[in-house]
Amino acid sequence: AQTVTQSQPEMSVQEAETVTLSCTYDTSESDYYLFWYKQPPSRQMILVIRQEAYKQQNATENRFSVNFQKAAKSFSLKISDSQLGDAAMYFCAYSTGDSNYQLIWGAGTKLIIKP
Amino acid sequence: KAGVTQTPRYLIKTRGQQVTLSCSPISGHRSVSWYQQTPGQGLQFLFEYFSETQRNKGNFPGRFSGRQFSNSRSEMNVSTLELGDSALYLCASSLISGAQTEAFFGQGTRLTVV
Repeated sequence: AQTVTQSQPEMSVQEAETVTLSCTYDTSESDYYLFWYKQPPSRQMILVIRQEAYKQQNATENRFSVNFQKAAKSFSLKISDSQLGDAAMYFCAYSTGDSNYQLIWGAGTKLIIKP
Repeated sequence: KAGVTQTPRYLIKTRGQQVTLSCSPISGHRSVSWYQQTPGQGLQFLFEYFSETQRNKGNFPGRFSGRQFSNSRSEMNVSTLELGDSALYLCASSLISGAQTEAFFGQGTRLTVV
């Protein structure tokens, strides 16, 4: 069974600094997708970034980038120039690429931004 | 473009009752997935519907059921409520079924069972 592990329950960073959130996963599949979602206090889950396993290039979305290490089954999220609006719960998630579509989630990391 | 709408936003029910939650996906989206979020178990997949058919189901008891209508709106039903069913229930819609398309989430329904 696939699993997703986030080992950092909480992280804090000074505004404008860079922070990295960790995520590891376990799967025997070759075709899969990895995601980082953000859940602010409004509770609405928002997609931050997505990575297809077959792509070697790390995904980037503005200040957000990932370090995808396929062999190590690691998928960390780097947030550059942290802003107060980045404060939220961040969830790492996995899904296979086949018809068995479901998101498998990590436990989440609470990100605190210090002004 | 309207987002995913979940109703009601908050709900309080008594043990043993049943409850129905509603999810209206983004216009044109045909896939709707449901997730349960609790402090203890985290986020867990309930089921996915695509074109009125349940394509996938998570590891939940039969008390949890759902359906999807021809306009892609989905309902989730929980019968014989237990205290442990207290959770935030999230709905996500996507254009088609599969991880290759982005899933957009609603703000959830907070269910409290007393």
